[in-house]
Amino acid sequence: KAGVTQTPRYLIKTRGQQVTLSCSPISGHRSVSWYQQTPGQGLQFLFEYFSETQRNKGNFPGRFSGRQFSNSRSEMNVSTLELGDSALYLCASRLLAGAGGELFFGEGSRLTVL
Amino acid sequence: SQQGEEDPQALSIQEGENATMNCSYKTSINNLQWYRQNSGRGLVHLILIRSNEREKHSGRLRVTLDTSKKSSSLLITASRAADTASYFCATDTNSGGYQKVTFGIGTKLQVIP
Repeated sequence: KAGVTQTPRYLIKTRGQQVTLSCSPISGHRSVSWYQQTPGQGLQFLFEYFSETQRNKGNFPGRFSGRQFSNSRSEMNVSTLELGDSALYLCASRLLAGAGGELFFGEGSRLTVL
Repeated sequence: SQQGEEDPQALSIQEGENATMNCSYKTSINNLQWYRQNSGRGLVHLILIRSNEREKHSGRLRVTLDTSKKSSSLLITASRAADTASYFCATDTNSGGYQKVTFGIGTKLQVIP
């Protein structure tokens, strides 16, 4: 069974640009969560999607958005990039949003904002 | 905001020694999980302990949970150089009718051969 796939793995953007990151969950998993990881803040929860609906959202500005498609693949978008958005963005999937259980993580997308 | 806080933030031990990491959290939980992350990689699930459990074992890992103190500990016995990684606790809590997983800042473990 293929794991969680995130693309792109690395990207460099400049301030003011926007970026879209993609996540393909494990086959059969319907819940996808996104986290931002920075050295000082650890993993910060961005949002979780289940059945194409956002179920939970973290404390991030509206520049951070996401969506989930009918095949459970998810994308997150960050508009008007700031230097502080430089981070490792991790996607995780699990079978159901409300059932608890372990998260399966992708390798992450490392974003550098110059 | 962080739900869990790991302690210590960094730990350096010799191969063969035991490593203990602690996690404290603030609100009631459904379960608590421990994850491992090798540098710059994704996280890998290690063990899950439910709120009605007190102790759980998996290979060289032992996890305890004290819900009255809102704390958990992860013990890695007979550590190996390959155990060098960051370890995170994650709490699974109810949020808006769904369960939300929140991570701590992590403990960076270095095992010296």
